[in-house]
Amino acid sequence: QKEVEQNSGPLSVPEGAIASLNCTYSDRVSQSFFWYRQYSGKSPELIMSIYSNGDKEDGRFTAQLNKASQYVSLLIRDSQPSDSATYLCAASFSGGYNKLIFGAGTRLAVHP
Amino acid sequence: GAVVSQHPSRVICKSGTSVKIECRSLDFQATTMFWYRQFPKQSLMLMATSNEGSKATYEQGVEKDKFLINHASLTLSTLTVTSAHPEDSSFYICRIAGARDTQYFGPGTRLTVL
Repeated sequence: QKEVEQNSGPLSVPEGAIASLNCTYSDRVSQSFFWYRQYSGKSPELIMSIYSNGDKEDGRFTAQLNKASQYVSLLIRDSQPSDSATYLCAASFSGGYNKLIFGAGTRLAVHP
Repeated sequence: GAVVSQHPSRVICKSGTSVKIECRSLDFQATTMFWYRQFPKQSLMLMATSNEGSKATYEQGVEKDKFLINHASLTLSTLTVTSAHPEDSSFYICRIAGARDTQYFGPGTRLTVL
């Protein structure tokens, strides 16, 4: 069964620090990976997508993909209290962007 | 502005009744929509893939006769929870997918079955 795994946390970091979130996936066929942020009671919002090995940066966010090791990570620099949320990792198992399987999510708490 | 809407945003019903949830694509035609369910402190579980003009594809373990999906147009998919029971209480979210990175979640519907 195709799976996406994350540490549920909570991950607690001080304001201004770097938060590192990790995710592993079981299917080598997966091609597309996504990080979502979800605030309590709200639907997820897309933060980053990554398709190739290496790093992809967007503002304070950097996604890292290592297909050989089957992991994808998200780094949040200069963490802010407003970053406190659950971060969901998702992988596409259809070779495209359509059918996404989500990890259980990592709860991040950024304290002042 | 919002690309996907869901209605209602919140619904409370009695056990045994049926509830219909609408997912509308506001800005583009969505040939495929996805329905997810999320229980408290758990991740999103894909329930079914809704294809315009054809039958939905359900994930393993999801009862197609209990969760009826209709995708009658390129902008509307509906999920009907039939004979709802308290264990069906959950957060139901639709997602539409367009071009490669174009994907949007609806705001979700909170269902509470008494």
